[in-house]
Amino acid sequence: DSGVTQTPKHLITATGQRVTLRCSPRSGDLSVYWYQQSLDQGLQFLIQYYNGEERAKGNILERFSAQQFPDLHSELNLSSLELGDSALYFCASSTRGRGGSGGYTFGSGTRLTVV
Amino acid sequence: AQSVTQPDIHITVSEGASLELRCNYSYGATPYLFWYVQSPGQGLQLLLKYFSGDTLVQGIKGFEAEFKRSQSSFNLRKPSVHWSDAAEYFCAVTRGSTLGRLYFGRGTQLTVWP
Repeated sequence: DSGVTQTPKHLITATGQRVTLRCSPRSGDLSVYWYQQSLDQGLQFLIQYYNGEERAKGNILERFSAQQFPDLHSELNLSSLELGDSALYFCASSTRGRGGSGGYTFGSGTRLTVV
Repeated sequence: AQSVTQPDIHITVSEGASLELRCNYSYGATPYLFWYVQSPGQGLQLLLKYFSGDTLVQGIKGFEAEFKRSQSSFNLRKPSVHWSDAAEYFCAVTRGSTLGRLYFGRGTQLTVWP
């Protein structure tokens, strides 16, 4: 157990639908990152939140949105789903420590299949 | 622009042989460098990281990596590969001062022959 919890682990849904992926960061970590992993695009950064505020945005489609709540958990909302959205979605959290002790911790991912 | 290149998409080695996975990065600022491993259907597990100091870093599972600033490289090595090392390996880089987003390479798939 990495300390980053993602739910659900698997999700199968139809095109046009909307889903919500959830991530609980490691205790004490303020930053949450979302990544999409697909065979053709590799690991793509979607978005980062820090203590409830959006910090950086990557290749995130307009159909996708995210937020980080006061308890620091984050949700990634995917709407109007297309077949090409099928992928593994990872969440990570980070901590900045002294002397190189910081780093990132990844969850085990949510595998989304759009049919 | 920031980028990470892993030139080898797929590498096959025999069990017990040595291994080197290549990683080159392009990053204007002082980089923090990482190697992750991913088994099929699993998440990303950190093997090792370089922030500063000694350019040869030791990681888990007997892996090590050497940071060479002049070559913009951070190659991963293991002296003797085990069958359980078969997996996909990702090199990643981020800005050294802020721990922002990670930039990943496309990965190297490692196959180990018995």
